[in-house]
This record gives sequence, C-alpha cells and structure tokens, in this order.
Amino acid sequence: GAVVSQHPSRVICKSGTSVKIECRSLDFQATTMFWYRQFPKQSLMLMATSNEGSKATYEQGVEKDKFLINHASLTLSTLTVTSAHPEDSSFYICSATRDRGIRGTDTQYFGPGTRLTVL
Amino acid sequence: AQSVTQLGSHVSVSEGALVLLRCNYSSSVPPYLFWYVQYPNQGLQLLLKYTSAATLVKGINGFEAEFKKSETSFHLTKPSAHMSDAAEYFCAVRGNTGNQFYFGTGTSLTVIP
Repeated sequence: GAVVSQHPSRVICKSGTSVKIECRSLDFQATTMFWYRQFPKQSLMLMATSNEGSKATYEQGVEKDKFLINHASLTLSTLTVTSAHPEDSSFYICSATRDRGIRGTDTQYFGPGTRLTVL
Repeated sequence: AQSVTQLGSHVSVSEGALVLLRCNYSSSVPPYLFWYVQYPNQGLQLLLKYTSAATLVKGINGFEAEFKKSETSFHLTKPSAHMSDAAEYFCAVRGNTGNQFYFGTGTSLTVIP
C-alpha cells in the first residue's frame, strides 16, 4: 500500500510554455501532499504543502504565481510551472501523507519524480 | 526549527563491509526522524523512521539506525554492504508545526566489489 504516482515522468518544453505535473495517491486518501524540487546531486527542497480543498502553503522564496498548486481531491494534486524558463529545469518530486498535518508519526510516501527540461 | 546535517557527501565501502552513514539533528522538541534511499532518477523510498518509541530502529534491506539523544544523532548502519545498496541516502526530520520534512544534503554510497 501507499503508492504515489507522478505523470509525466519526463517532459521537455519550450521556454515560455506552461507544464502541468500530476501527483496521485493510488491506494489511499492523501489529506496532505508536498512538492519538492531537486537539483542534480543535491537534496530535496520543499516547495509547498497542499491540503485538500485549501490553498497551498509555499516555502519562503518559492513564487506561488509561477508554481501553481491545486489539490482538488484527496487523491490528486497538480503542480503547474507557468511560463517555464531553462532555470526551472529540475527534478520535481511529490509526496503524500494520510494525516491532516497535526504533528504525528505518519510517513511521507514519495512519487517517482518528474524530470522537467525547459529548452 | 528542525534541521538535519549529514556528514560526508560520499561514502565508499567494500562489499561485505559495514555501512555507516551519519546524521545529526537539531530540534527544539523530540524529533521524528527518517532515512530514505533514492536510486537514480527515482523517488524516495522509506528505509526506517524514529517516532520516539524504541531508540534502535530496524528498517528494510537490513538497515537500522539508533537514536542517541545525548549525541543528537541518528546514524544509519548496515552490517554488510551489498552492491545493490549503492544509492543516495537522505536523512530527514519532520517539522514541528506540520508534516513538512526537512532533508539533509544526502550521502552517496558507493559499494566496491
């Protein structure tokens, strides 16, 4: 159990276009989902936290108008990179948890990641 | 604020040798700590987690970690390295006010045949 999928796994787009990445929890309801960005050979950087039905909470320094997050259902969150530029090229990883963000012990289950390349 | 520090960005061990990956944490409250493994171009897989129960935590693939409050450490060990253990390993601490995880910079493990 606790499988998280991402689609697409790889995407190449032209500069100035928008790209949508989907994150789905396949066998559980994810009350909270997270979006991370990972540069080559570096750690994961938390971008934002989204709870189903409410606005995402962005980490400091992350442009919310550029990285649009929608968590419309308990099994789906989307990240849209708007007007993408080459510096947005990165590995984007989502994760999901079951509980509501109250400090607890539930684990984050990670998706396989999406490699975005902006030409 | 919570944070973790991983000492050693690269660790090489011989096949069959002990694996020791270091993680120290900083937390104003009892932390929840995690170790994840990442294979190339893949997401993260949970190895084990510490949630204030037993201080010695056993995980998958023969890994274990010991929570030492006096040393603020949560080092990951495996008695005998296997070639398939070569990967990137991340230590993470859960945020105090929510579910946010904060990751260390990662340790790349190489296993030498």
